[in-house]
Amino acid sequence: EPEVTQTPSHQVTQMGQEVILRCVPISNHLYFYWYRQILGQKVEFLVSFYNNEISEKSEIFDDQFSVERPDGSNFTLKIRSTKLEDSAMYFCASKTTGAYNSPLHFGNGTRLTVT
Amino acid sequence: SQELEQSPQSLIVQEGKNLTINCTSSKTLYGLYWYKQKYGEGLIFLMMLQKGGEEKSHEKITAKLDEKKQQSSLHITASQPSHAGIYLCGAVLTQGGSEKLVFGKGTKLTVNP
Repeated sequence: EPEVTQTPSHQVTQMGQEVILRCVPISNHLYFYWYRQILGQKVEFLVSFYNNEISEKSEIFDDQFSVERPDGSNFTLKIRSTKLEDSAMYFCASKTTGAYNSPLHFGNGTRLTVT
Repeated sequence: SQELEQSPQSLIVQEGKNLTINCTSSKTLYGLYWYKQKYGEGLIFLMMLQKGGEEKSHEKITAKLDEKKQQSSLHITASQPSHAGIYLCGAVLTQGGSEKLVFGKGTKLTVNP
């Protein structure tokens, strides 16, 4: 069964450094998302992306964050200057359409640790 | 207050027992998703409910969305150790346009052999 793949599975970085988290969504999916989960807390929406542009973003997704679909398969999340509070599990997700009844499929996540 | 409340927060059952997890919203649920998460891993899609009164089953797991579309329940029949994990409900709470899912805090299920 096709799946969303994320790399790396674990990333350790120093505060102030830039990180890029990578995702390969399911191939026929058109809507792409990033969510995050701080340890012990809820899964939170960050951003949705469709047709090469951001369609919605949360308050968390400030100027330090950016997303890109550099080619036909990858979808990336960049954090420009990481802070300690960016430490979390970051999940990429994708679905075929924007409709409510289109299941959202998640990757296994990248655990980001900022020291 | 939380937009989506899950109960219970944790549940320990003996293998073979039935159990129910609830997800309650103060707003109308336009799409309700159930996921399972193992610690440190991704979210595995279980089921999606959209219509009031809808019920879906997959193997020994059944999910229902009540008629008023403000509560969903997940029922596991004859639980097995493989059912252990964290069950998350996620919902679309805004009609027309917003695609984001809001999640509950999760219910941690332990199944003792």
